[in-house]
Amino acid sequence: AQRVTQPEKLLSVFKGAPVELKCNYSYSGSPELFWYVQYSRQRLQLLLRHISRESIKGFTADLNKGETSFHLKKPFAQEEDSAMYYCALSGRAGTASKLTFGTGTRLQVTL
Amino acid sequence: GAGVSQSPRYKVAKRGQDVALRCDPISGHVSLFWYQQALGQGPEFLTYFQNEAQLDKSGLPSDRFFAERPEGSVSTLKIQRTQQEDSAVYLCASSPDAFSSGNTIYFGEGSWLTVV
Repeated sequence: AQRVTQPEKLLSVFKGAPVELKCNYSYSGSPELFWYVQYSRQRLQLLLRHISRESIKGFTADLNKGETSFHLKKPFAQEEDSAMYYCALSGRAGTASKLTFGTGTRLQVTL
Repeated sequence: GAGVSQSPRYKVAKRGQDVALRCDPISGHVSLFWYQQALGQGPEFLTYFQNEAQLDKSGLPSDRFFAERPEGSVSTLKIQRTQQEDSAVYLCASSPDAFSSGNTIYFGEGSWLTVV
């Protein structure tokens, strides 16, 4: 069975402070990991995926297979980063990928 | 359209009532997914279509839930004899290819169902 754990429901940081949103997973295979973000009154959207090894809006995430983690990091938080963040793992549904989501972490960036 | 469109956006149903939720995926998208998101939880997979074929319905919580995509475009999620535990946001998502691993999945804004 595949599972994604986000231990923090709420993370509150000051503007300019570093951010780390934790994500751990369990999956018997080679996983694909994603971070999705939902800004207030907007739809869920992809932030980044581990296979791209990219930085989006200053966020990065490294897949650590030894620790089965995919933590999301940003060195300096901005007010506009305040949102709900979901870590997700991709497993197969027929020939397509279905996503298993964590319960989400609300990031609150304050002045 | 510009994105995945869902209707109705909000629905209040009396317990025992049947409801139908509609999803218009992005034009030409082959894959279509339905997810259920209860309050305070992440989205949970319900079912998947590749064109008109329902290839996976393992996430449907009971036989009261039924989904279809008869022409490989618009999809409808039907819930019969709604119960309070069905209250949730129902998210539809689409993806351009059949093999979606690594491809971006585009989500709709969701249909908020409240059963009273």
